[in-house]
Amino acid sequence: GAGVSQSPRYKVAKRGQDVALRCDPISGHVSLFWYQQALGQGPEFLTYFQNEAQLDKSGLPSDRFFAERPEGSVSTLKIQRTQQEDSAVYLCASSPRRQVGGYTFGSGTRLTVV
Amino acid sequence: GESVGLHLPTLSVQEGDNSIINCAYSNSASDYFIWYKQESGKGPQFIIDIRSNMDKRQGQRVTVLLNKTVKHLSLQIAATQPGDSAVYFCAENPYNQAGTALIFGKGTTLSVSS
Repeated sequence: GAGVSQSPRYKVAKRGQDVALRCDPISGHVSLFWYQQALGQGPEFLTYFQNEAQLDKSGLPSDRFFAERPEGSVSTLKIQRTQQEDSAVYLCASSPRRQVGGYTFGSGTRLTVV
Repeated sequence: GESVGLHLPTLSVQEGDNSIINCAYSNSASDYFIWYKQESGKGPQFIIDIRSNMDKRQGQRVTVLLNKTVKHLSLQIAATQPGDSAVYFCAENPYNQAGTALIFGKGTTLSVSS
């Protein structure tokens, strides 16, 4: 596609519910990042994939957060047993090669946990 | 801790004025910096980047200045337009390595009135 696509655009989850957020990177992009952006704050790193390999997951806040990219293209961020503090915009970004910064972000999924 | 911060949370200017958005960083070893623009409901959009071996870099209507002595970064927007209204983030790659996370500041909201 022309850009990074994320779905759903909005998600409301009841506390304790599991959610799955999808990211379709730009075709052929090797690198894929997930970031979490709380209201009024800058994005914070969650995890990084190079193709299908998850090379860095140091930003995942707890073991309730899990990300995968099994075929090196589409990625899914899963949050189990959601809590109110998980409410945020989840951003996905991709780049065509291992480059320093300057990657393309999607519009994000706004997750609200009630 | 090591993070990128901003001096002012908001900046209001008149259309046609020049805007200057400032950012201070704390990691003296950081080697690569980026400015992003984020419009409401969208992901961050790359504006311009600069490496630490440069003091200044110009783009279309934008200029980034880097002062390594005081660890200060600024974004200058010439002839600001209403379409420039957005939140602006500076970000650093503290390791200057591909595949490593960017550290974002909290952002400055630029409001342009006509």
